[in-house]
Amino acid sequence: LAKTTQPISMDSYEGQEVNITCSHNNIATNDYITWYQQFPSQGPRFIIQGYKTKVTNEVASLFIPADRKSSTLSLPRVSLSDTAVYYCLVASFMNSGYSTLTFGKGTMLLVSP
Amino acid sequence: DSGVTQTPKHLITATGQRVTLRCSPRSGDLSVYWYQQSLDQGLQFLIQYYNGEERAKGNILERFSAQQFPDLHSELNLSSLELGDSALYFCASSVENEGEQYFGPGTRLTVT
Repeated sequence: LAKTTQPISMDSYEGQEVNITCSHNNIATNDYITWYQQFPSQGPRFIIQGYKTKVTNEVASLFIPADRKSSTLSLPRVSLSDTAVYYCLVASFMNSGYSTLTFGKGTMLLVSP
Repeated sequence: DSGVTQTPKHLITATGQRVTLRCSPRSGDLSVYWYQQSLDQGLQFLIQYYNGEERAKGNILERFSAQQFPDLHSELNLSSLELGDSALYFCASSVENEGEQYFGPGTRLTVT
């Protein structure tokens, strides 16, 4: 099973770029990495997903090195509304046919003026 | 609004009781996932159903069970409730297996 590790918290200021790294040393070849954002008392919201190299959408970029043992979520020019918890999810498909979902502990990002 | 609905929003019950949480996935989604989120444990995956069949199991206790019905809505049954079961319970759905998931607003369960 892939296990993920993220920093517990990060601080930033408005307008800065924020990079949050997730470690998943035991990631399998058919796993993919997904990032979610969660505000207090709300359900997580999908941000971005990738398998390898770089993926970019309108809100974030995801960088995955060749060995895929880590991934970095990049948020360009953060604003106060980006203050939230960010989760890294690694999906593992096991030989039994079951897939298991492992969320990291989450990174609390605090953006200050 | 993710399109995923959960009822009830809040639930207060006593230890030893049984409750049922309900989830309706987004239109067209075949997979339903259940998660438990407590302050000390973070977001824990419980179980996944895909088109009516159990697909994956996470840290789900034997006192908990779930099912997905032909109309694709799902129910999570929690029995012999303990104080430690107090948490937010989220349901999520996706088109197929894993991938991009859409989370509902959650049910806050308080066991007294």
